[in-house]
Amino acid sequence: QQQVKQSPQSLIVQKGGISIINCAYENTAFDYFPWYQQFPGKGPALLIAIRPDVSEKKEGRFTISFNKSAKQFSLHIMDSQPGDSATYFCAASRETSYDKVIFGPGTSLSVIP
Amino acid sequence: NAGVTQTPKFQVLKTGQSMTLQCAQDMNHNSMYWYRQDPGMGLRLIYYSASEGTTDKGEVPNGYNVSRLNKREFSLRLESAAPSQTSVYFCASSPTWGGGSGYTFGSGTRLTVV
Repeated sequence: QQQVKQSPQSLIVQKGGISIINCAYENTAFDYFPWYQQFPGKGPALLIAIRPDVSEKKEGRFTISFNKSAKQFSLHIMDSQPGDSATYFCAASRETSYDKVIFGPGTSLSVIP
Repeated sequence: NAGVTQTPKFQVLKTGQSMTLQCAQDMNHNSMYWYRQDPGMGLRLIYYSASEGTTDKGEVPNGYNVSRLNKREFSLRLESAAPSQTSVYFCASSPTWGGGSGYTFGSGTRLTVV
């Protein structure tokens, strides 16, 4: 019930391509879905987040797509660049509840020139 | 504009030694967290402090203790280090408990226990 599944574990994309990372959750009470980006040697940093009242949120080249009925959400990185090479974590939580955030296991993205 | 500051950045301990990892935030956040990150395991919550004066166990608390010294500072102590505690440790904070406003993470402490 509390797990967040994430795939793929690793991803190699050519520069200019689209990177897609998928996550699935089980707890229908979750209502806040952030993505974190982590560069080597650094801590994770909040990248973009979505709430289930919308099906898509876009910030620059980064888009979250949300499918409430399927309990799935995904991160799309358009026009992927070598500087996007990082580990990406999806997460889920109940925004107005005293429950902890559940993180996915992470996806290592490499964008090659 | 420091955010979350962790010290030290690197540490090597011998089995059985003790040490304290320090964490401080300057964003006036109420909640603070300690995570460990291991290859293939993602981020696992060790302990958290929902507000000043309270601490609670997370997923993997065994072998650790914490102290919420004040609103700014949250330390993690290893009383008798074991090789299984070799990991990268991250401190994080959020305005309120539950993460609805997102977490701010420190840059981590890389700990090796030999």
